Amino acid sequence: KNEVEQSPQNLTAQEGEFITINCSYSVGISALHWLQQHPGGGIVSLFMLSSGKKKHGRLIATINIQEKHSSLHITASHPRDSAVYICAVRFSDSKLTFGKGITLSVRP
Amino acid sequence: GAGVSQSPRYKVAKRGQDVALRCDPISGHVSLFWYQQALGQGPEFLTYFQNEAQLDKSGLPSDRFFAERPEGSVSTLKIQRTQQEDSAVYLCASSLEAGWSNQPQHFGDGTRLSIL
Repeated sequence: KNEVEQSPQNLTAQEGEFITINCSYSVGISALHWLQQHPGGGIVSLFMLSSGKKKHGRLIATINIQEKHSSLHITASHPRDSAVYICAVRFSDSKLTFGKGITLSVRP
Repeated sequence: GAGVSQSPRYKVAKRGQDVALRCDPISGHVSLFWYQQALGQGPEFLTYFQNEAQLDKSGLPSDRFFAERPEGSVSTLKIQRTQQEDSAVYLCASSLEAGWSNQPQHFGDGTRLSIL
């Protein structure tokens, strides 16, 4: 079965901390997306990757194809980073399958 | 506008009523997707359009759900005889290219549907 799991479910951090959010999946994929969802529903695509590592500003995304695992790192976290972070993968059936998301709260 | 626009942002309906949700994708985007997101869950795929053609509707939960994109731009998701379990956020996304290629999807802010 095509499954996506994210951990931890909820995460609280202090401003300035380094944060890691994890995503694991059950079978081989062609691509993995990291998405950010703010209260109110809007979703922003942060990264799409199929191998290696990508960096944008304070965000870094990595993927390990052999271990079927991806991580999203946030450096020097800020309260405005508070949001739900969703991992979505494209399995062989081509549709995007989404994880439940991780709710991140960054306290000032 | 530059992004994907959905309307209404909020919809409250009584059980049994029909509702229609609208999505305006980014101009020129070939692919359009509808997703349903229940409270506390990730989005789940409903249906996919390539221009005006509905190529995949395998995620529609019942025959009460119907989607169309008659001119290959604006899309409407219609739910007939709504039930309480239909309460969710309905998200629309579009992407530039056709097919399930590895490309970013641009999401709208969603329509939050509440069935009383």
